[in-house]
Amino acid sequence: GQQVMQIPQYQHVQEGEDFTTYCNSSTTLSNIQWYKQRPGGHPVFLIQLVKSGEVKKQKRLTFQFGEAKKNSSLHITATQTTDVGTYFCANSGGSNYKLTFGKGTLLTVNP
Amino acid sequence: NAGVTQTPKFRVLKTGQSMTLLCAQDMNHEYMYWYRQDPGMGLRLIHYSVGEGTTAKGEVPDGYNVSRLKKQNFLLGLESAAPSQTSVYFCASSYSYRRFFGPGTRLTVL
Repeated sequence: GQQVMQIPQYQHVQEGEDFTTYCNSSTTLSNIQWYKQRPGGHPVFLIQLVKSGEVKKQKRLTFQFGEAKKNSSLHITATQTTDVGTYFCANSGGSNYKLTFGKGTLLTVNP
Repeated sequence: NAGVTQTPKFRVLKTGQSMTLLCAQDMNHEYMYWYRQDPGMGLRLIHYSVGEGTTAKGEVPDGYNVSRLKKQNFLLGLESAAPSQTSVYFCASSYSYRRFFGPGTRLTVL
């Protein structure tokens, strides 16, 4: 897959604040996947986006794929301490085998 | 279902020693992968397999070998460990685009 840049690298919020992480590419992406890794844990799949302008929601999490398919975002509304962890975006470039991960955004939440 | 399991969970090696990491999955997935995770580097693909008896190189294959003799198992070998191989190793499996990760092996090479 193509290289993707994630920003920010770190984000610290107060519980109840919103949080957004961004995933950007210089080239068009065929798809974007998002994973969450809790501290000391393993990555867990959250969602895949494939269509231009796609928006999907999972409870307090909103995922977007840009119109040009060069960027994606994950927005968490009213963060909770259970949201702590590193959020990774990844893309496979059309191949199921070579999933390329971004470097992740580490979210910490102050209760 | 246990999902994806990895053994061992932790290991300390001396430079030059060899070891094998074992990954097993009980989901009948065709595809299996080995990743390494280093601070600030995300997950990088070492080797992968698209089926029993097949393996292929990923982004960072040097210093590692793999084997997939049985569909449910994927082994990662280090023939002569180096300090640069200190990392957390994750195995994953998939039947399509979604990866299922194991709990990881934390390896330290002194």
